Amino acid sequence: NAGVTQTPKFQVLKTGQSMTLQCAQDMNHEYMSWYRQDPGMGLRLIHYSVGAGITDQGEVPNGYNVSRSTTEDFPLRLLSAAPSQTSVYFCASSTGQGGSNQPQHFGDGTRLSIL
Amino acid sequence: AQSVAQPEDQVNVAEGNPLTVKCTYSVSGNPYLFWYVQYPNRGLQFLLKYITGDNLVKGSYGFEAEFNKSQTSFHLKKPSALVSDSALYFCAVRDIWMDSSYKLIFGSGTRLLVRP
Repeated sequence: NAGVTQTPKFQVLKTGQSMTLQCAQDMNHEYMSWYRQDPGMGLRLIHYSVGAGITDQGEVPNGYNVSRSTTEDFPLRLLSAAPSQTSVYFCASSTGQGGSNQPQHFGDGTRLSIL
Repeated sequence: AQSVAQPEDQVNVAEGNPLTVKCTYSVSGNPYLFWYVQYPNRGLQFLLKYITGDNLVKGSYGFEAEFNKSQTSFHLKKPSALVSDSALYFCAVRDIWMDSSYKLIFGSGTRLLVRP
């Protein structure tokens, strides 16, 4: 099992550029989410999805878009990159079976630098 | 609003000694509580969770955590630390009464350094 796969692992962008961070999971999990990790701030939720076709905003959604056309994929789009979006981005998934007490499975992250 | 506090940025302990990483939480209803560990350049890995029942929860790699409702705490513990336990540890909470979604709120993380 690959689990949660994130691509690319590293990316450098210029201010104003757009890009898509890819996330795929092969565990048939209903719930998927995107976090950003910044020093001293833990993980903050950007967007999440409880199933294909359903997305919602998290704590810090501004500047990011998501879509969920399939159960497996949950891409995160940066519309116009800003230096404040320099961060490490993590995708996570969990099953809804048994309720919302199931642990989340994380990818290894995408390290993004905006110049 | 839900929140999690990890009051120590770093915990230092000698190998073989017991370790404690502190976590306190604030929710309106009953919590689901989780501990995750992060090794360098990796994603978070699940260690253990508290849902209901016994206040002492056992998890992976010999870790355990004690849920204390009156002190709203969920401290992570291990009787004998290993150098390989050195990592970044995150506490997380979900308010199961106020929020029916799967959202987790994370603490800021505590770096554990175990010296030989």
